[in-house]
Amino acid sequence: DQQVKQNSPSLSVQEGRISILNCDYTNSMFDYFLWYKKYPAEGPTFLISISSIKDKNEDGRFTVFLNKSAKHLSLHIVPSQPGDSAVYFCAAARTTSGTYKYIFGTGTRLKVLA
Amino acid sequence: DGGITQSPKYLFRKEGQNVTLSCEQNLNHDAMYWYRQDPGQGLRLIYYSQIVNDFQKGDIAEGYSVSREKKESFPLTVTSAQKNPTAFYLCASSPLGVSNYGYTFGSGTRLTVV
Repeated sequence: DQQVKQNSPSLSVQEGRISILNCDYTNSMFDYFLWYKKYPAEGPTFLISISSIKDKNEDGRFTVFLNKSAKHLSLHIVPSQPGDSAVYFCAAARTTSGTYKYIFGTGTRLKVLA
Repeated sequence: DGGITQSPKYLFRKEGQNVTLSCEQNLNHDAMYWYRQDPGQGLRLIYYSQIVNDFQKGDIAEGYSVSREKKESFPLTVTSAQKNPTAFYLCASSPLGVSNYGYTFGSGTRLTVV
């Protein structure tokens, strides 16, 4: 059972436009969410996070939105740049359970066209 | 510089051989994790450890073994019982408790069965 889903395996966007990556989850107990960026043959690197007590977190060109009622989060990249081309993973965890692990989505490959 | 180091970057294994992937961290993190990445399947948890001399199976532990004799080290052995070992393997670490940044990942090891 996939608790964290990224239904779009790939996305292409023109340079300078907005990229919107989506992530859905099924476990309403998840209370912390992360986005990671991954280049080929490298490990994922942390991009941005959001706690369930917030509905938005912004860091430069990156904004994450959380809609708890819909169990949906999205990552907005504005403006998109060619260097943003990578695979993006969302991850979720229930941090109140003491010891916890992040559950990762399957990833969305973003291609920013120059 | 603190970080997490995986070696080797590329590894070739013959059918029926066991191979060991190295993972070392100098971040003083208590928890360490092994993930496997396959195309279209995201990151799947193999094993994790939250304390020295203790580790737990993840979602796809069959055919793998680990040890945690030192806090800094969490090697993964891919045994001959693993039927489809060709994949990209990622090691990660984190402090116990809530971390705003989730996991720190290594740069990965690509294992190919020849």
